Amino acid sequence: DAGVTQSPTHLIKTRGQQVTLRCSPKSGHDTVSWYQQALGQGPQFIFQYYEEEERQRGNFPDRFSGHQFPNYSSELNVNALLLGDSALYLCASHFRSGNTIYFGEGSWLTVV
Amino acid sequence: AQSVAQPEDQVNVAEGNPLTVKCTYSVSGNPYLFWYVQYPNRGLQFLLKYITGDNLVKGSYGFEAEFNKSQTSFHLKKPSALVSDSALYFCAAPEMDSNYQLIWGAGTKLIIKP
Repeated sequence: DAGVTQSPTHLIKTRGQQVTLRCSPKSGHDTVSWYQQALGQGPQFIFQYYEEEERQRGNFPDRFSGHQFPNYSSELNVNALLLGDSALYLCASHFRSGNTIYFGEGSWLTVV
Repeated sequence: AQSVAQPEDQVNVAEGNPLTVKCTYSVSGNPYLFWYVQYPNRGLQFLLKYITGDNLVKGSYGFEAEFNKSQTSFHLKKPSALVSDSALYFCAAPEMDSNYQLIWGAGTKLIIKP
């Protein structure tokens, strides 16, 4: 049983560019959340998707957007990249009715 | 607002000794609490959770955690530390009225010395 998988694992972008990160949840999980983890800090909640809709959102600007597909996989899009967007982006999944949240290995984004 | 605190930035333990990583919480209602571990340049791995029931929760890799309602604490413990336990440990709890939108402690770096 594959866990939460994320791609790409590492990427470098230039300020002002746009990036798309991808996530496949653990088998059967229908709820996907995204977190940003800056170096040396704890994760910060970006948003959560369920039934292809954004259900909850943290304190992140509209430059951060997402999508969930019918197979429950998800994408995180960040527009107009800033240097401060450099971080580890973590995807987490769980059953809507469950209470164990699993994380992927993350996507390391460096903005130069 | 809900909050989770990890009062120690770093904990140093000799291999073979017991270890404790501290977490305190401030949440409304019945607390749901989680521990995760993060190895260098890796994602977060689930260790254990407290939802209800027994105050002593057993988890992965020989870790356990003790829920103490009167002290609002959920400390992570292991009877005998291994060098391979060296990592960053996070305590987390769901934000109020959310579906597991987790809020996190700042993390505690655990160093196990041979």
